[in-house]
Amino acid sequence: GNSVTQMEGPVTLSEEAFLTINCTYTATGYPSLFWYVQYPGEGLQLLLKATKADDKGSNKGFEATYRKETTSFHLEKGSVQVSDSAVYFCALSDPAMGSGGSNYKLTFGKGTLLTVNP
Amino acid sequence: NAGVTQTPKFQVLKTGQSMTLQCAQDMNHEYMSWYRQDPGMGLRLIHYSVGAGITDQGEVPNGYNVSRSTTEDFPLRLLSAAPSQTSVYFCATKDRLSGNTIYFGEGSWLTVV
Repeated sequence: GNSVTQMEGPVTLSEEAFLTINCTYTATGYPSLFWYVQYPGEGLQLLLKATKADDKGSNKGFEATYRKETTSFHLEKGSVQVSDSAVYFCALSDPAMGSGGSNYKLTFGKGTLLTVNP
Repeated sequence: NAGVTQTPKFQVLKTGQSMTLQCAQDMNHEYMSWYRQDPGMGLRLIHYSVGAGITDQGEVPNGYNVSRSTTEDFPLRLLSAAPSQTSVYFCATKDRLSGNTIYFGEGSWLTVV
């Protein structure tokens, strides 16, 4: 079945440091890939996504590139801020199943807690 | 999280009690689902629905029931709560026609004592 493996945390950085959170996946088809962020006490918010190989998703200074050859979707940010402290989840959606080509179920990694200190 | 409303946000139950977590969406999305989030486990799919009248099991369906009588609502029922069901529950929705983005509610924190 599908699976997502992401870098275990916690990760602690100083403000303005470079961030990388590794994510690799296993899937039988051609999944879409996502990074979600969860701030303390809140739900999950979509941070960025990529739907096909070599696509780069980007948002709020974060970016990730869909690498089919290495089955990876690593999250990067050049200069983190205290406000980036959160849990980050890598996820993939099941390849199209059934009628209508509708991808729906998400498979999540276990999450990586990021703490950024001033 | 706009458009996906979960209630209650916090709940404490005694073992053996039943309750329903409510999820409502106003985006006319066909797909709705329930996940639970546990430390070190990420999010795991409990049940999902691809449209009114259609439901199916996810990874961890035992102890939970769902129904989808309308497009807007997708309640999750705990039939006889157990301490192992202490978790944070998230409802999620998706529109088949607007890509693969899944939208999450703000979560329901459930403690079973």
